[in-house]
Amino acid sequence: AQSVTQLDSQVPVFEEAPVELRCNYSSSVSVYLFWYVQYPNQGLQLLLKYLSGSTLVESINGFEAEFNKSQTSFHLRKPSVHISDTAEYFCAVSMIKAAGNKLTFGGGTRVLVKP
Amino acid sequence: DSGVTQTPKHLITATGQRVTLRCSPRSGDLSVYWYQQSLDQGLQFLIQYYNGEERAKGNILERFSAQQFPDLHSELNLSSLELGDSALYFCASSVEIGEQFFGPGTRLTVL
Repeated sequence: AQSVTQLDSQVPVFEEAPVELRCNYSSSVSVYLFWYVQYPNQGLQLLLKYLSGSTLVESINGFEAEFNKSQTSFHLRKPSVHISDTAEYFCAVSMIKAAGNKLTFGGGTRVLVKP
Repeated sequence: DSGVTQTPKHLITATGQRVTLRCSPRSGDLSVYWYQQSLDQGLQFLIQYYNGEERAKGNILERFSAQQFPDLHSELNLSSLELGDSALYFCASSVEIGEQFFGPGTRLTVL
């Protein structure tokens, strides 16, 4: 079985400041890692993913996340946030080579960007 | 727009009733997943279908069932509804491996 822990349930941050959202996972097998974003009253959108290769992955809107296998972490960072980044962010894992590839989600981190 | 559609967008019903939620996956995606999002449980995986066959099951209640039809759309049936079933129900679809694409969700309110 696997589990995902997002250490911060809420993160207030000022516009143009950096933000880091922490994600740790536990799994007995290798996993794929994802960050999803949920804007108010909307569904989940994929922000970025780690399947293999370079441990640093980037999104088109300035977010990046680094897979750290020894620390079983996949923290999300953005050097300068915008008001439009206000949303809830979910870290998720799925097991490699499992029958089915269900996502196991963390509890989410609400980011509130203040002007 | 993810390409995954869900109907209805909102559903209000009474305890003891039965409802059906519908999902159409992205064109070409054979896998469909159902998730429940609630304040107390967060996002929980319910069930996955792949090309018409059940592939994986999560903590889905016996009162809930799902199926995937030959045209690959899926339905989630919720029966004997309780107040605690009020939640957002998401459908997602994917190719075999990789990210899942989520629909906009169906908000179920049980009164």
